[in-house]
Amino acid sequence: GQNIDQPTEMTATEGAIVQINCTYQTSGFNGLFWYQQHAGEAPTFLSYNVLDGLEEKGRFSSFLSRSKGYSYLLLKELQMKDSASYLCAVSLGGFSGGYNKLIFGAGTRLAVHP
Amino acid sequence: EAQVTQNPRYLITVTGKKLTVTCSQNMNHEYMSWYRQDPGLGLRQIYYSMNVEVTDKGDVPEGYKVSRKEKRNFPLILESPSPNQTSLYFCASSTYSGMTGEQYFGPGTRLTVT
Repeated sequence: GQNIDQPTEMTATEGAIVQINCTYQTSGFNGLFWYQQHAGEAPTFLSYNVLDGLEEKGRFSSFLSRSKGYSYLLLKELQMKDSASYLCAVSLGGFSGGYNKLIFGAGTRLAVHP
Repeated sequence: EAQVTQNPRYLITVTGKKLTVTCSQNMNHEYMSWYRQDPGLGLRQIYYSMNVEVTDKGDVPEGYKVSRKEKRNFPLILESPSPNQTSLYFCASSTYSGMTGEQYFGPGTRLTVT
């Protein structure tokens, strides 16, 4: 079966750093996505990791370890607008770099306080 | 403007009355997909399509049909809706082979089946 685990909720303070973890056990793996979703809105793309290591994009960084089935999203200099749900998703099948099926975790609801 | 559009945005219907939710994208993307989102369960993939006339089942295809006759359109059909299909539905598209992996989501369709 396919399984993706994330913490359900996290809280953090404005200006701080927060790390959201994601572990996965899937049959097949092509890459791992992180999406941000504000309440009542559509998800928006944050990152896509195919290879092991850390990828940095402004205040957001994403890490992947394929051997451990583990990823994290790191958010620095937290702002109030970062209060949202963060979705981890694994792409299965397809040729290298492409993807067919997507499996999402249930999401982590992050609340940023002043 | 590059976008994915869905119609209708809100729909209340009764059990057994066939309905179609339309999805259209203007980015010439090969890959399109339908998801449903329920509290505590996250996004679950219903069907996806890798190109015209090529579709496949996601994790929760029961009770749904799709077709991909044109590249830009990917309608979701509920032949006989039931209350357990009450959910928030998202359509998404992306380039199939892109290493960036970014999916663009539509605004969502909130469906209630009574």
